[in-house]
Amino acid sequence: AQKITQTQPGMFVQEKEAVTLDCTYDTSDQSYGLFWYKQPSSGEMIFLIYQGSYDEQNATEGRYSLNFQKARKSANLVISASQLGDSAMYFCAMREVSGTYKYIFGTGTRLKVLA
Amino acid sequence: DAEITQSPRHKITETGRQVTLACHQTWNHNNMFWYRQDLGHGLRLIHYSYGVQDTNKGEVSDGYSVSRSNTEDLPLTLESAASSQTSVYFCASSDLSTPGELFFGEGSRLTVL
Repeated sequence: AQKITQTQPGMFVQEKEAVTLDCTYDTSDQSYGLFWYKQPSSGEMIFLIYQGSYDEQNATEGRYSLNFQKARKSANLVISASQLGDSAMYFCAMREVSGTYKYIFGTGTRLKVLA
Repeated sequence: DAEITQSPRHKITETGRQVTLACHQTWNHNNMFWYRQDLGHGLRLIHYSYGVQDTNKGEVSDGYSVSRSNTEDLPLTLESAASSQTSVYFCASSDLSTPGELFFGEGSRLTVL
C-alpha cells in the first residue's frame, strides 16, 4: 500500500539559510508522482513542486528543489535562502499513476524561519 | 478564472445531525477528492470520484458519503455527525495531465458539539 512518512514534526531554520524537509515513500508501483505543498497559517494549500518517478533530473522551482533518490524512496524538499514567509506547514504527497490514481499525504512538517 | 469553492467555510452542529459540505469546481476536472485535516494526521482521504456517477471510499470513509451527479460538484455528507468528525475538511480536484497537481478549496471547519 502507498505510504508517505515525514519524520520531522517541526523544524527551525535561520533566515537566509537552506533547509531540507524529509519525505520517504512506499509504493509497489513503478510509475508515480511526488508533490510538495505549503500550508501557511491562513490555511490554504499551495502547490510547490512535482517530481515524476521517471524524471532523471531533480525538479526545481525557484528556491525550491526536490532531492529525489529513487532507490532510497526519498523525496526531500530543499528550500534555499529561507525567508520569513516560508514559515508554514509543509506536506509531501504521492500519487500512483496506475491503479487508483489517488493522492496520499504525509503528516507534515511545521517550519519556522527565525529572523 | 477557474476555481474550487467550498461552503460553508465554518459550521457548528450538534451530535447526530446530518451535515452536508458543498464543493464546486470550475476547472472541469474529472477527479475530485475530500480530505480531512487533523493535527498529527496530516490530510486523510475520505472519498474520491473519477467522474459522474463514480464514487470510491478512502481510508477514513466511515460515517461519510458523497455523490457525483455532475462534473462540477462533489458534496460530502455526514449522515449523523459525531464529535470525532470535528475537523477541517478540504475538497480538491485534478486532471490527468502532468504534473496533475491537486487544486484545493479553501477548507471548511466543522465543529460537532
